[in-house]
Amino acid sequence: KAGVTQTPRYLIKTRGQQVTLSCSPISGHRSVSWYQQTPGQGLQFLFEYFSETQRNKGNFPGRFSGRQFSNSRSEMNVSTLELGDSALYLCASSLDRDNPFRETQYFGPGTRLLVL
Amino acid sequence: SQQGEEDPQALSIQEGENATMNCSYKTSINNLQWYRQNSGRGLVHLILIRSNEREKHSGRLRVTLDTSKKSSSLLITASRAADTASYFCATDASPLGGGADGLTFGKGTHLIIQP
Repeated sequence: KAGVTQTPRYLIKTRGQQVTLSCSPISGHRSVSWYQQTPGQGLQFLFEYFSETQRNKGNFPGRFSGRQFSNSRSEMNVSTLELGDSALYLCASSLDRDNPFRETQYFGPGTRLLVL
Repeated sequence: SQQGEEDPQALSIQEGENATMNCSYKTSINNLQWYRQNSGRGLVHLILIRSNEREKHSGRLRVTLDTSKKSSSLLITASRAADTASYFCATDASPLGGGADGLTFGKGTHLIIQP
């Protein structure tokens, strides 16, 4: 099976702009989670989607949003970019059971976002 | 917030030696997972150990879990240059009824294997 894919791999934006990142999960996986990784804060959970619905959410401002399509592909959007949004954004997919975090999470290669 | 904390933050050993990394966490968990990350790329899942398990093996990897001490260790035996990477522990502490906060990651141990 193909792994989790993320596009684009690298992105440069300026403050105030918005950005959309895409994630395609492993075939058959219905849960997609997003994480932000920065040198200062480490890896932090953004949100998780299942069946086109946001099921779980981390502690991030409303500028961070996402959605999931019927084929389980997911996008996340960051509006009004700030310098501190520069990070590696990782998505992960898993087989859904009662709780996706009780199973192995398969991560994509990430999208590295630089905000200038 | 960070639940897990890896120790040491960095570790440099010679190829062929064993590497041991530790992870401590704060709350009761359902499972603990170890991941590897090479040079800021994606995370590769290594092993998952559930709260009712004490030890698990996978190839050259051995993971232990002590829920009474809220700690876990990852042992890599006969290390290779390709094992050079950052290693993270991640915990799931979500309640049965949902409301999960995702996996909670530690800051990682940076392992360098010297040839």
